Amino acid sequence: DSGVTQTPKHLITATGQRVTLRCSPRSGDLSVYWYQQSLDQGLQFLIQYYNGEERAKGNILERFSAQQFPDLHSELNLSSLELGDSALYFCASSVTSVLNEQFFGPGTRLTVL
Amino acid sequence: AQSVTQPDIHITVSEGASLELRCNYSYGATPYLFWYVQSPGQGLQLLLKYFSGDTLVQGIKGFEAEFKRSQSSFNLRKPSVHWSDAAEYFCAVGASYGNKLVFGAGTILRVKS
Repeated sequence: DSGVTQTPKHLITATGQRVTLRCSPRSGDLSVYWYQQSLDQGLQFLIQYYNGEERAKGNILERFSAQQFPDLHSELNLSSLELGDSALYFCASSVTSVLNEQFFGPGTRLTVL
Repeated sequence: AQSVTQPDIHITVSEGASLELRCNYSYGATPYLFWYVQSPGQGLQLLLKYFSGDTLVQGIKGFEAEFKRSQSSFNLRKPSVHWSDAAEYFCAVGASYGNKLVFGAGTILRVKS
């Protein structure tokens, strides 16, 4: 158990819908990272937040957004969902804002029908 | 830009045999290197990391990896594989000044008895 929690574990929705994925980092970690894992793209970095502020952006679509709240939990919002958004979404956390070992949550499996 | 190549998509080894998983990276400066393992339906667990210093690093579960700058490689090894090692293994690289991890495509390890 990494100490990072993600909810829900599974999510099934339809195209065009909007969903919110939630992540709670390890106690004491200030950085939260979001990754997408799909069969065709592999594991891709989406976005990082540190202590409530966006710090780095990767291959995140404009339809996707994230935020980190004062209690340090983070939410990833996916809107206007397409079939190709079906993937495993991981949250990871680390202590600092710069590269350090990241601890991954169990992931949320999103299926868009 | 950083990139990681894991040339072997699948590897099968017999229980008790030795294992080496290959990883080659592309990065202009000193990289931060990681190996993660993902069991089916699970998140990623950190096996070991290299930031600097001794080029042979020891990790959990009896794994080790050797950083070879001249070959841009960070291969993962284990002297004797157990059936519970069957999983997918990911090599990742990060910039010392950056935030994100760039992952390889992964190597699926199958252990036969």
